[in-house]
Amino acid sequence: DTAVSQTPKYLVTQMGNDKSIKCEQNLGHDTMYWYKQDSKKFLKIMFSYNNKELIINETVPNRFSPKSPDKAHLNLHINSLELGDSAVYFCASSRGGSRGNIQYFGAGTRLSVL
Amino acid sequence: DQQVKQNSPSLSVQEGRISILNCDYTNSMFDYFLWYKKYPAEGPTFLISISSIKDKNEDGRFTVFLNKSAKHLSLHIVPSQPGDSAVYFCAASGSTDKLIFGTGTRLQVFP
Repeated sequence: DTAVSQTPKYLVTQMGNDKSIKCEQNLGHDTMYWYKQDSKKFLKIMFSYNNKELIINETVPNRFSPKSPDKAHLNLHINSLELGDSAVYFCASSRGGSRGNIQYFGAGTRLSVL
Repeated sequence: DQQVKQNSPSLSVQEGRISILNCDYTNSMFDYFLWYKKYPAEGPTFLISISSIKDKNEDGRFTVFLNKSAKHLSLHIVPSQPGDSAVYFCAASGSTDKLIFGTGTRLQVFP
C-alpha cells in the first residue's frame, strides 16, 4: 500500500493548457509538500501545507496553485502551461512542525509541455 | 544561489569497497542534514540524517560525518553493494522543516 501516491505518473500536454496533479498520503502526516526537479536534476521546494494551511510558497509563478481539501491530499493545478514547466514534480509528506522530520516522497509526475 | 552542493555528479566503486559521497553547504544556519537515495522512476527515500550537535551518525553500512567548521558532510557506505547503485541527494534544513537539496551524485557499484 503506497504511502504517498501521485497521479498521473506521466503527463504530456500542449502549451497554454491547464492541468492538475493529485497527491494523497496515508501516513497520517500533517504536512505535505510539492517539489520540482528540473532538467538539471535540481530538486527544489515549491509549496508546503500544514493541516490544509499554506506554510511555504517559494516564489512560484501564480499559474501554480496548490489546493489541499484535507490534510491527506495536496493537489497542484497549473494554468497556462509553458515549455519551462516541463519537469518532474514530486509530492512529499511529513509529520511536520519542526526540522528533522523525515519527508516521504511520491514516485513523481513527469510533465512534458510541447 | 545554491546553498547545498554536491560537486561530484557521479562515482563508480567496486563491490565490497567503500563509497564516499560528499556534500558542502554555505548557510551556517543549517543545523540538520539528511541523505536521500533515489532509484530511477521512484521518489527519493530517506537514508540517514545527522543533527549539528553530532559529528557522526551510523546506521548499519551507512555512516554520515559532519564537519561544521568546514561546512562539509559525507556519506560512507561500507561495504558497497550493487543494490546501492542510485542517485544520492544531500539535504539541509534550518529553523523550519524546509529542505534544501543538492543536485545529487550518481553512484554506480560494479561487481
